[in-house]
Amino acid sequence: KNQVEQSPQSLIILEGKNCTLQCNYTVSPFSNLRWYKQDTGRGPVSLTIMTFSENTKSNGRYTATLDADTKQSSLHITASQLSDSASYICVVRGGYNKLIFGAGTRLAVHP
Amino acid sequence: SQTIHQWPATLVQPVGSPLSLECTVEGTSNPNLYWYRQAAGRGLQLLFYSVGIGQISSEVPQNLSASRPQDRQFILSSKKLLLSDSGFYLCAWSGWDQNEKLFFGSGTQLSVL
Repeated sequence: KNQVEQSPQSLIILEGKNCTLQCNYTVSPFSNLRWYKQDTGRGPVSLTIMTFSENTKSNGRYTATLDADTKQSSLHITASQLSDSASYICVVRGGYNKLIFGAGTRLAVHP
Repeated sequence: SQTIHQWPATLVQPVGSPLSLECTVEGTSNPNLYWYRQAAGRGLQLLFYSVGIGQISSEVPQNLSASRPQDRQFILSSKKLLLSDSGFYLCAWSGWDQNEKLFFGSGTQLSVL
């Protein structure tokens, strides 16, 4: 069954600290994996996309990794800011262009 | 630049009443359009998608329907709302490349009482 599992479900960190969010998937075939950021009460916004051949990609303070062999991805946030408080959603595109969404990790950055 | 508008932002409706949520896209033509529902603590669930005017595909059987009367207009409807229809509804569009991202609207929080 095609599934995307994210961990932790929620996370609280202090401003300025780093954190890493995990995404494990069982989607096959695999086309790409995208991380979205969703502010409370808003629609998700894409942060980065990882294709099969990419291992690491950075977007400012966000760095995504992909291990296609173990079917794992991570999103690392460096020097967190209050504005990073949001839900982070991992989405995997599989066969027939089908998108499978993770339930998200809710991140709270406290001052 | 492309923009997506979704309204209303919040809606409180009694059980059994009709529903109409509207979504419009500007700055692009022939987009793929989507309606998603997001339940608390769960991933987004695809309800409908459309690849063109009048072409609607339903992902899950439910109390809702969708229509695409114009290229950049997508409407989510119900004749009689159920309590279980409560949730956060998101409209989205994308291009045709498989690597293209989804662009989401700002969402509608629907409460059925």
